This record gives sequence, structure tokens and C-alpha cells, in this order.
Amino acid sequence: QVQLQESGPGLVKPSETLSLTCAVSGYSISSGYYWGWIRQPPGKGLEWIGSIYHSGSTYYNPSLKSRVTISVDTSKNQFSLKLSSVTAADTAVYYCARLSGSYVGWFDPWGQGTLVTVSS
Amino acid sequence: QSVLTQPPSVSGAPGQRVTISCTGSSSNIGAGYDVHWYQQLPGTAPKLLIYGNSNRPSGVPDRFSGSKSGTSASLAITGLQAEDEADYYCQSYDSSLSGSMVFGGGTKLTVL
Repeated sequence: QVQLQESGPGLVKPSETLSLTCAVSGYSISSGYYWGWIRQPPGKGLEWIGSIYHSGSTYYNPSLKSRVTISVDTSKNQFSLKLSSVTAADTAVYYCARLSGSYVGWFDPWGQGTLVTVSS
Repeated sequence: QSVLTQPPSVSGAPGQRVTISCTGSSSNIGAGYDVHWYQQLPGTAPKLLIYGNSNRPSGVPDRFSGSKSGTSASLAITGLQAEDEADYYCQSYDSSLSGSMVFGGGTKLTVL
């Protein structure tokens, strides 16, 4: 079955760039589907960050668009997130997930999530 | 302030039926976009519960059901069990502001 695993630094300094990678196993990204990033601040709800198609086309949350870049590496079967100029408000558990049913569909499955703390 | 509005909390006794509402607008649910539901147990990643308004993925008990009407959707849980205590989120797509996936604020279900 398809499995996703997030990885990256757990601590990022304010004003720096947060970088995470999502490794996909059990399915080849180049075969299709959109793939997405979602985050959840401690004790709060879910926020969609953005999604990418296997071809590389992207769409982002308008509120984060100026700071977000999502890319895909089909050779490594993974996709990545970069969020620039981070502040404490970007502290959250970051999840990656596969998007089914087209770009307006549902997220399944999800990775286990990785906590990123923004602090000096 | 979430684009999709859910009650912060609901509760019910074991065996009872509870519903969780998800209210949107003419740019998301009312525009015909599907609603999907997730269950998040404490300390774990969200898990897909209902997709396409009313479809259950394999392995999800038929105690869980979803519906959609107008600008709202609902998740119903019958035969409430202690293991159902979790946070529940609705999700859809919003066509305003260049388009965006949107989540509800989440509902905490407490089994009394």
C-alpha cells in the first residue's frame, strides 16, 4: 500500500526557510495523482499549504503563496516543501498526503507528520 | 476563522447517534464541490473517513455516514463507541481567491 514519510529539521530559526521532504513508497509519483502538504499548529485545526501534480504543476494556499514552493523529484519518488521567512506562527505539525479524485479531491493516505518548531 | 464552520464540540453516550455539521457557502459546498471527512485520534495523523460526500473507504464501519445538502454537509455516527472519541474535520474546495482546499475548524467528539 501507499505510504508517505515526512523528513526535515525539527527546529528552524525565525526568518529562515523551512524545508521538508515527503518520501513516497508503494506507488510511483510519476504515474499520476496530486500530492499535498497540510499543517496543524499545536492544539489547532488543519490548514492546506499547497499541492503539486506529478508533472510539476502547483497550486498554493493564497494566504501562503508568496512564501511557499512545492517541487517534485520523480527520480527519488518524493516531493518537497519550502516555506520562507518563517515566524513562530509557522510552528506546526506538517503532513504530506496524496490527493485523490483530482485537484479538488480528498487526502488519503497521510504521512505520520513531523513537528517543526520556529524558534531562535 | 475557517471557511467551513463546524461546532467546536459534540458529545453523546455510548450507543447513541450524533451528527456533526459543516456549513459553507456558495463558493465551496454550495458551488457543488464535494465534502470529505477525516477522523483524527489523539496524537495521530488525520484518517479519511468519508469521501465524495457520502462514500466510505474500505475498512470504515458503516456506523459512519455522510450527507450534503445546499451549502452544508453532515457527518453522522450511530452506535457511538468509546473509540470514536476524536477530532473530526470536514474538507472541500473553495473557488474564490484563485481556488483553495479548505478545512473546517474541527469538532471534538466526546463519548460520555
